[in-house]
Order: sequence, then structure tokens, then C-alpha cells
Amino acid sequence: SSELTQDPAVSVALGQTVRITCQGDSLRSYYASWYQQKPGQAPVLVIYGNNYRPSGIPDRFSGSTSGNTASLTITGAQAEDEADYYCNSRDSSGNHPSVVFGGGTKLTVL
Amino acid sequence: QLQLQESGPGLVKPSETLSLTCTVSGGSISSSSYFWAWIRQPPGKGLEWIGSIYYSGSTYYTPSLKSRATISVDTSKNQFSLNLNSVTAADTAVYYCAREGSAAGVPSGKFESWGQGTLVTVSS
Repeated sequence: SSELTQDPAVSVALGQTVRITCQGDSLRSYYASWYQQKPGQAPVLVIYGNNYRPSGIPDRFSGSTSGNTASLTITGAQAEDEADYYCNSRDSSGNHPSVVFGGGTKLTVL
Repeated sequence: QLQLQESGPGLVKPSETLSLTCTVSGGSISSSSYFWAWIRQPPGKGLEWIGSIYYSGSTYYTPSLKSRATISVDTSKNQFSLNLNSVTAADTAVYYCAREGSAAGVPSGKFESWGQGTLVTVSS
């Protein structure tokens, strides 16, 4: 199956903008979703379909894609945004449809 | 509001079968718009999709677990289940169940709602 690659850790100053990226061949064909996970909690969907926000997700979260790279951007990062972020997408590199996750990026808000 | 709740033993012996059930409330598991998925997360590590099932019983699995994992659905109880056989310490993880959007009849990877997760430890 395909892999999705994320930087293990990223930091951002409070109130600044940060971009978290996710690379993989599956992103050329399928939409990316992004999940936020805080310690001891289940992941929460923050972006789907490359750039759509579920209801209740602040508009400082946005998504984009270019070629084999999907990006999650947080504009004006808040202390509560400190979390692990995972990307994922469909995958069809094997014989059957499947789903693949990136390894996750730990975001620190300074 | 949709809720998902995992249940099952928190401790499983090596070589035995891990069995978990996810009970769905606040929505029907028979909806044609969704798949129902299992995802796991070893302690301190990332997320791994195990597989997804449609209410009709169609299943999809990650290749690395396909030979050991079985996902089933019980529409009468609004539940779906995971069996993972021949477990080892490497299967120790928090196991999540989730509702997943359908993309033209196949799993989309869009996990919209998640259970709280349940820790399963494999140890003798």
C-alpha cells in the first residue's frame, strides 16, 4: 500500500500561521482528510475533501492540495491547537480499496 | 447526536483472539451513506486503519492485517465487531471504532465520528 509522509514535529508562535504537510502518491488521486488528536482523546476530523471544514471547526483551520502534497494551515494558532495532527486518504495501490494514514505531526504552540 | 462505544476485554493472551464490539446510538448502522470502521493506535504511535464494513456486509481490510482480521455487522443490534486472531504484543493498542463516509460504495477515509477508544493489552 501507499504511504503518507508527515514531518514528526512542527512548532509555531502563538498567533502566527503554521502549515503542516502530508506527501504521498495517493494524494494525486484521492482527497485528504486531517485529524486533530489531543492527549488521551480520540481524533477529531478538522478537514475533509482536501479543504472542507466540518461544522464546529474554527475557520482558522484550512486545507489545500498540490500534486502529491496536502497541507493543513492554521492561521493565527491558538494554545488549544497544540496537538498531534494526522492526514489520511483513500488508497488503491493494492488489489483492493483501502485507507492510509500519515505518521502524524506533533504541533507545539510556543 | 451519533455516539459510538467500544466494548470488550482489556487484556488478551498471546495467540488468542481479540474481540471488540462497537455499539452505535443516535443513528442507524443501516444507512447507505456510511461505512463503519476500526482503527487502532499503539501506545505513543500513530493511527492505523484496520478495516471497514458496509451495512450489507461488504468488507475492506488493510493488507497487513487481512489474514487475521474479521469485521462483522449486526444491524438488528446496531453494532459492528472486530475479531483479530493470533494476537501478539504488537497488537497492543487503543482500538477505535468510527463512522466513515462512503465514496461511491468504497471506504472514503473520512472518519466523521469516533468512539472514545478502548485499550487492549496483549500479555500473558
